[in-house]
Amino acid sequence: EAGVAQSPRYKIIEKRQSVAFWCNPISGHATLYWYQQILGQGPKLLIQFQNNGVVDDSQLPKDRFSAERLKGVDSTLKIQPAKLEDSAVYLCASSFWGGPPDTQYFGPGTRLTVL
Amino acid sequence: AQTVTQSQPEMSVQEAETVTLSCTYDTSENNYYLFWYKQPPSRQMILVIRQEAYKQQNATENRFSVNFQKAAKSFSLKISDSQLGDTAMYFCAFMKPGSGNTGKLIFGQGTTLQVKP
Repeated sequence: EAGVAQSPRYKIIEKRQSVAFWCNPISGHATLYWYQQILGQGPKLLIQFQNNGVVDDSQLPKDRFSAERLKGVDSTLKIQPAKLEDSAVYLCASSFWGGPPDTQYFGPGTRLTVL
Repeated sequence: AQTVTQSQPEMSVQEAETVTLSCTYDTSENNYYLFWYKQPPSRQMILVIRQEAYKQQNATENRFSVNFQKAAKSFSLKISDSQLGDTAMYFCAFMKPGSGNTGKLIFGQGTTLQVKP
């Protein structure tokens, strides 16, 4: 079974530029999550999708961050414009809806450096 | 709001020995899940072990076991017969299940574990 795929793996941009990350979840997983992991900290949820609908985006900085999952499969996370404090690893995870205690499967992450 | 605290930023253990990582959490919920995730250097996060709050029996997975104390809101991870491949950052996480048993994970700050040969 293929795991969660993310691209790019690394990205370096200047502040005020825009950037987009892509995630392909495990086949059949209806729930998709984006987490932000700042160096030395635990991941923090940015947004949770159920199919193509948003379940929780309470911690997404909506003035600069946006995310979509148009067909209920792949998802993109965008930052525009980027700030220095956005430097972090962005993790995508997916899980199977309606099963026993939820296990989230994580992708390798995208490491973003904002200069 | 729920919080998760890991008070040990770094730990080390000799190969083949046993080590215990600590985690405490705060919640007013009665139904929730607790997890330990492992994040090896430059590799992706994987689930180590999971505990349902309504189960009194402590979860075990091979060399990994937990000590779940619900009243004390404590959830420690014991690694027996430590191996070099156990070197990683370990995160304790809390989840209140929502629709379809899914929900956001609330992570602690992490504990870096180094296993020494």
